[in-house]
Amino acid sequence: LAKTTQPISMDSYEGQEVNITCSHNNIATNDYITWYQQFPSQGPRFIIQGYKTKVTNEVASLFIPADRKSSTLSLPRVSLSDTAVYYCLVGGRSGNTPLVFGKGTRLSVIA
Amino acid sequence: DAGVIQSPRHEVTEMGQEVTLRCKPISGHDYLFWYRQTMMRGLELLIYFNNNVPIDDSGMPEDRFSAKMPNASFSTLKIQPSEPRDSAVYFCASSFWGRGYSNQPQHFGDGTRLSIL
Repeated sequence: LAKTTQPISMDSYEGQEVNITCSHNNIATNDYITWYQQFPSQGPRFIIQGYKTKVTNEVASLFIPADRKSSTLSLPRVSLSDTAVYYCLVGGRSGNTPLVFGKGTRLSVIA
Repeated sequence: DAGVIQSPRHEVTEMGQEVTLRCKPISGHDYLFWYRQTMMRGLELLIYFNNNVPIDDSGMPEDRFSAKMPNASFSTLKIQPSEPRDSAVYFCASSFWGRGYSNQPQHFGDGTRLSIL
């Protein structure tokens, strides 16, 4: 499984756009990139998944360059409730294979 | 819709006691995963099932841990005897792996916080 590297922590003010970048230099051809969010005392929650280029949903956008060796999760106009740990995962499409979590990025949103 | 339901939410017991954690996956899901989260090791897979059959239990720490899935709507993770180093948050997740558009990512329960004294 491809190893991922992401910042340990980030701070942001409310209303700003937050971009969290994840490096995955050894990503395999069949690998997808998936992001999960975890609030304290809760289980991880699926945010977004992509294979290449750009994916957008109601929560976030995921940007993946052509070489796929990195990806960027973009959270528009964050609020205090976006304070959480964000995990970048690389592997299968996540439904039928175990997820391998790294240490994640702890995002703190400040008023 | 009900999500993945885990019970109990918190469990405190003395070492040596048997501990049973329970999970009810989302109805219709055919994959079930047990994960454990600690500060030191983060989130790690223990075991997972497909259609009630264990597929990979290589993450189970040792023989003290066992997991069963007697039917599609229920799974248990048992620790006997429990030890202080088993203290962690245990998560259950489920998913549906259909074809193409019907594939589902893993949905997690809110976990069981286990403390072994």
